[in-house]
Amino acid sequence: KNQVEQSPQSLIILEGKNCTLQCNYTVSPFSNLRWYKQDTGRGPVSLTIMTFSENTKSNGRYTATLDADTKQSSLHITASQLSDSASYICVVNRDAGNMLTFGGGTRLMVKP
Amino acid sequence: DTGVSQDPRHKITKRGQNVTFRCDPISEHNRLYWYRQTLGQGPEFLTYFQNEAQLEKSRLLSDRFSAERPKGSFSTLEIQRTEQGDSAMYLCASSSPRGYEQYFGPGTRLTVT
Repeated sequence: KNQVEQSPQSLIILEGKNCTLQCNYTVSPFSNLRWYKQDTGRGPVSLTIMTFSENTKSNGRYTATLDADTKQSSLHITASQLSDSASYICVVNRDAGNMLTFGGGTRLMVKP
Repeated sequence: DTGVSQDPRHKITKRGQNVTFRCDPISEHNRLYWYRQTLGQGPEFLTYFQNEAQLEKSRLLSDRFSAERPKGSFSTLEIQRTEQGDSAMYLCASSSPRGYEQYFGPGTRLTVT
């Protein structure tokens, strides 16, 4: 079964601190991996997309890594802000466009 | 605003009633997707259109669910004889012919009482 597992399920950090979210997947074949940010009650917004050949990609304070051999990805958030409070969802694409498999998300809360 | 729009944003209905949601994709996007998301979970794929053709349907899409995209632009998702288990956020996304990226709308939150 194609699965995407994320950890931790939830995380509380203080404003200004860094954190790292994990994603393990068994989806095969693999086309690309995405990280989305979803604010409560809103649709997901893409942060990064990485293909098989990319090991790391940054978007401002967000840096995603990918190890296609071990089928693991991480999302590192630097110098967290209150507005980073959201769910972060790891998504794996099997066939370059149509079928996305979503993880359950990590709910991040940044406290002042 | 040229993003994906969905209407309504919230819908409360009684069990057994029919509901219909609308999605307007980004104008040049020919691909349109519907997802369902329950509280605390990631979205689950329901169905996918390329232009007006419905190319894929998940097993989650029971006979009570039907989706259309008659002119290859906006899409509707209808749920007949709603059940309490249908309560969820229904998300629509669109993508361009050559792009990996799917752009999501704000969702329609359905509550079945």
